[in-house]
Amino acid sequence: ETGVTQTPRHLVMGMTNKKSLKCEQHLGHNAMYWYKQSAKKPLELMFVYSLEERVENNSVPSRFSPECPNSSHLFLHLHTLQPEDSALYLCASSLTQGGGSYNEQFFGPGTRLTVL
Amino acid sequence: GDSVTQMEGPVTLSEEAFLTINCTYTATGYPSLFWYVQYPGEGLQLLLKATKADDKGSNKGFEATYRKETTSFHLEKGSVQVSDSAVYFCALMGSGGSNYKLTFGKGTLLTVNP
Repeated sequence: ETGVTQTPRHLVMGMTNKKSLKCEQHLGHNAMYWYKQSAKKPLELMFVYSLEERVENNSVPSRFSPECPNSSHLFLHLHTLQPEDSALYLCASSLTQGGGSYNEQFFGPGTRLTVL
Repeated sequence: GDSVTQMEGPVTLSEEAFLTINCTYTATGYPSLFWYVQYPGEGLQLLLKATKADDKGSNKGFEATYRKETTSFHLEKGSVQVSDSAVYFCALMGSGGSNYKLTFGKGTLLTVNP
């Protein structure tokens, strides 16, 4: 595998289900991101992990719970979602040199989530 | 705060036509500028970047020049192909504070007809 991979690519879930999205980066990066892409809206940054510490939680509802067990893996745990949470969820990674300097972000293919 | 404004689409061109997608930005300091492309059913791919004023980013026949005096980063290609049909996003990354944060434009859908 190369680049940034995401699984599953498609997910349909009911409002009472619990599911998880997985992201893995094979680029040697040390910062990882979750974005939400909805129709007709700009990309929304949800969470940022830098050196395995969460550095951004962009007012995301608690029904979304991120986890970053190491610098290569990122999860987004989902529970009791709403239909308006249906969107494309994109993972990205980048390299930070430390001292607040970050390089460009590389994106995965996304997980298309549908909440019924 | 930082913001990016890019031309609203959709843009429809014939093959071999000249492409320009306008992008202007508002930011403090010296941001880095990017163009990303999203093909149908896929994630975003970095197309090109420029990190300082007057830099020209280029890739796959696409070009964009970082113009600080006009706060612009317009995307151009001399001869588009059907395979260039996609959504194009202009983005900036700030130079201070939380400079991991990418600010995106709304995207421009390009359709190239044979």
